[in-house]
Amino acid sequence: AQSVTQLDSQVPVFEEAPVELRCNYSSSVSVYLFWYVQYPNQGLQLLLKYLSGSTLVKGINGFEAEFNKSQTSFHLRKPSVHISDTAEYFCAVSVASGGSYIPTFGRGTSLIVHP
Amino acid sequence: GAVVSQHPSRVICKSGTSVKIECRSLDFQATTMFWYRQFPKQSLMLMATSNEGSKATYEQGVEKDKFLINHASLTLSTLTVTSAHPEDSSFYICSARGGSSGYNSPLHFGNGTRLTVT
Repeated sequence: AQSVTQLDSQVPVFEEAPVELRCNYSSSVSVYLFWYVQYPNQGLQLLLKYLSGSTLVKGINGFEAEFNKSQTSFHLRKPSVHISDTAEYFCAVSVASGGSYIPTFGRGTSLIVHP
Repeated sequence: GAVVSQHPSRVICKSGTSVKIECRSLDFQATTMFWYRQFPKQSLMLMATSNEGSKATYEQGVEKDKFLINHASLTLSTLTVTSAHPEDSSFYICSARGGSSGYNSPLHFGNGTRLTVT
């Protein structure tokens, strides 16, 4: 079974500063990786995904993530954050398991952007 | 595209009553839907996976008689919390995957339902 670890439960940062949210995964087979964002009292919205090909993936709202197979990581980055980026961010991994698609989510990282 | 509508967004009910939450895929056919429960400041806990026309597959520890899931059509799945108790108060989120999408496709999420049982 696959698992996802988001090492930081909370990341405070000042506006316009760069940020990195860390995600590591474990799996015995190839994986697909996703980052989702959740604003208060809302569902999740896809930020970006890695399926194959280029290891640097660009998503919405200026976010990007890099897949590192040797380190089993998929860290999310943004060079300059805005107040509006304050939200909960979830890393997710999926594999084909018995013909079903069962995604696994990390515990989430709360990004808090201060003015 | 790929919009999932979840209703209601908030519901307050008395202990002992039942509550139904609807999850609809508006512009695609959802052969598989997932129901999650989220506690404050925590990740999503998968409750069950439902496939259209078949019984839902519940995760370990989830009471299937308490959380009734029906996926009667390709665009609608419902979660009914029966005989709700205050400990059932939580944020419930549905998500869907389209039939033509592969296992590498992302999930499309509803906006969640905040259930408060008094």
